Amino acid sequence: GAGVSQSPRYKVAKRGQDVALRCDPISGHVSLFWYQQALGQGPEFLTYFQNEAQLDKSGLPSDRFFAERPEGSVSTLKIQRTQQEDSAVYLCASSLSGYRDREKLFFGSGTQLSVL
Amino acid sequence: KQEVTQIPAALSVPEGENLVLNCSFTDSAIYNLQWFRQDPGKGLTSLLLIQSSQREQTSGRLNASLDKSSGRSTLYIAASQPGDSATYLCAGRSLRDYKLSFGAGTTVTVRA
Repeated sequence: GAGVSQSPRYKVAKRGQDVALRCDPISGHVSLFWYQQALGQGPEFLTYFQNEAQLDKSGLPSDRFFAERPEGSVSTLKIQRTQQEDSAVYLCASSLSGYRDREKLFFGSGTQLSVL
Repeated sequence: KQEVTQIPAALSVPEGENLVLNCSFTDSAIYNLQWFRQDPGKGLTSLLLIQSSQREQTSGRLNASLDKSSGRSTLYIAASQPGDSATYLCAGRSLRDYKLSFGAGTTVTVRA
């Protein structure tokens, strides 16, 4: 596609519900990142994929957060038993080649998650 | 861990004035540094990418400099316009890492 696409754009969940956030990176992009952005803050790293391999998940806040990219393209970020502190904008980004590349990172518009 | 700080948090200027946005980072072993623009409710748009071997990058009215020794980068926007109103974030990638570490951003308002 022309850019990184994320869905849904907005998600409202009741506390305790499970949610799944989808990211469609730019076609052919090898690297895929998930970031979490709280209101008024810069994005915080969650996890990184190189093709289908999850090379770093050190930023995931708890074991309630899980991400996958099974075929090396579309990625899903799943949050189980959502809590109010999970409310944030979740951003997906991709770049053309591997993590040692010198290229720009392209971001999607994000999914705004509100946990009530 | 790369720590990135942006000062000021907010800036308001009249149209036509030049903008100077500051970014500081703690790890001088930096691989590259990017400046992004974020509009309300939108994702991030990459403006400029400076490699560690470079001292500056230019695109139109935008110029970004990188000084590794002092741990600073500066984004200059010449002859500001109301359409430049947005939040500007800088993000650094360390040599020992691959993820970008972001500052909290500077929110710019250009008054017509």
